[in-house]
Amino acid sequence: ILNVEQSPQSLHVQEGDSTNFTCSFPSSNFYALHWYRWETAKSPEALFVMTLNGDEKKKGRISATLNTKEGYSYLYIKGSQPEDSATYLCAFPKSSGDKLTFGTGTRLAVRP
Amino acid sequence: SAVISQKPSRDICQRGTSLTIQCQVDSQVTMMFWYRQQPGQSLTLIATANQGSEATYESGFVIDKFPISRPNLTFSTLTVSNMSPEDSSIYLCSVPGGRDGGLNEQFFGPGTRLTVL
Repeated sequence: ILNVEQSPQSLHVQEGDSTNFTCSFPSSNFYALHWYRWETAKSPEALFVMTLNGDEKKKGRISATLNTKEGYSYLYIKGSQPEDSATYLCAFPKSSGDKLTFGTGTRLAVRP
Repeated sequence: SAVISQKPSRDICQRGTSLTIQCQVDSQVTMMFWYRQQPGQSLTLIATANQGSEATYESGFVIDKFPISRPNLTFSTLTVSNMSPEDSSIYLCSVPGGRDGGLNEQFFGPGTRLTVL
């Protein structure tokens, strides 16, 4: 993996369903992994910044895991709600600098 | 945290013209970033705007096309020059949340949605 890849590109679920999506990133020289939520017409909002292999972070119904050795992170949403509808982006800083390389995102639509 | 505003929020422009996008932050920051997202593509860094020095451009982006100003620690502008339909994108500015931006979240403006006809 040379860049950041996310799958699936889009996802349609019913309210109450749980869902998850994947971010793959270069495993060599890992520094950190960011997750953002971007709702239409709003600013991207940070969900998590993860640094430790095996780490799991949680914010309400949303959680994320990190595997730095194999180069992937999962984002889970438990009991999806219509307000969870957004594009979820992961991003990878190449070093201790501030520059982020983003994936193309997973667009989630939750039907009431 | 930082609160960031952008102007305009959206615009429709004719090819060959230029548009200047403004980014205002509610606190003083050393670095500001300009990104764009073309339809179906990922957020891509255009340049880093540093106060008191010239902006640093990423591969594929040049100053003549995307001139940037950074007159003080709370404000920056990005100009999209001689626009073509390929410049139709969402343009975002952002600032790092701490000294080590890699370990700290970035704060983003709400974006400028540009359509070039």
